[in-house]
Amino acid sequence: KQEVTQIPAALSVPEGENLVLNCSFTDSAIYNLQWFRQDPGKGLTSLLLIQSSQREQTSGRLNASLDKSSGRSTLYIAASQPGDSATYLCAVSRGSNYKLTFGKGTLLTVNP
Amino acid sequence: DTGVSQDPRHKITKRGQNVTFRCDPISEHNRLYWYRQTLGQGPEFLTYFQNEAQLEKSRLLSDRFSAERPKGSFSTLEIQRTEQGDSAMYLCASSLVYGELFFGEGSRLTVL
Repeated sequence: KQEVTQIPAALSVPEGENLVLNCSFTDSAIYNLQWFRQDPGKGLTSLLLIQSSQREQTSGRLNASLDKSSGRSTLYIAASQPGDSATYLCAVSRGSNYKLTFGKGTLLTVNP
Repeated sequence: DTGVSQDPRHKITKRGQNVTFRCDPISEHNRLYWYRQTLGQGPEFLTYFQNEAQLEKSRLLSDRFSAERPKGSFSTLEIQRTEQGDSAMYLCASSLVYGELFFGEGSRLTVL
């Protein structure tokens, strides 16, 4: 059974810092990995999707990497802003049915 | 707004009552998913449709839960004889086959 772990569970940083969120998964036979953002009481917003054949994806200040063989992914956020404060969730899918297995998330707080 | 929409956003009900949630996916998306999220946890897969066919159901989906997607458009998730353990956020997502998942804002259920 696939298990997804996210470390740290919570992170508080001052504005402007670069930071890294970690995600690990137990079964490397994944189809893709997706990073999401969730604001309190809201749904999920997709940030980056990495196919299993890819090593990284970038969108603006966000960069996600994938090391499928070691079962790890990182989300790098450059020059953090208070508006980045949210819970960040990592999810992996196995096969093309896109049934995602999620981690519990990292609660990020960026202090002005 | 052309995103995934869910209704109602919040439902409060008494134990034993039936509730129904509706999801309208992005119009061209042929896949539709239901997930459940409890406080402090990542979303858990419940079921998914490709067009009108329900292709997979999680063991989490007990006999009291039923989902439909008539004509491959909107979907409904009904919970019969609600229990306090059903209190959660019910999230709907849609995608193209092999595409990125887009989530709605969720429907929060509180069972008293």
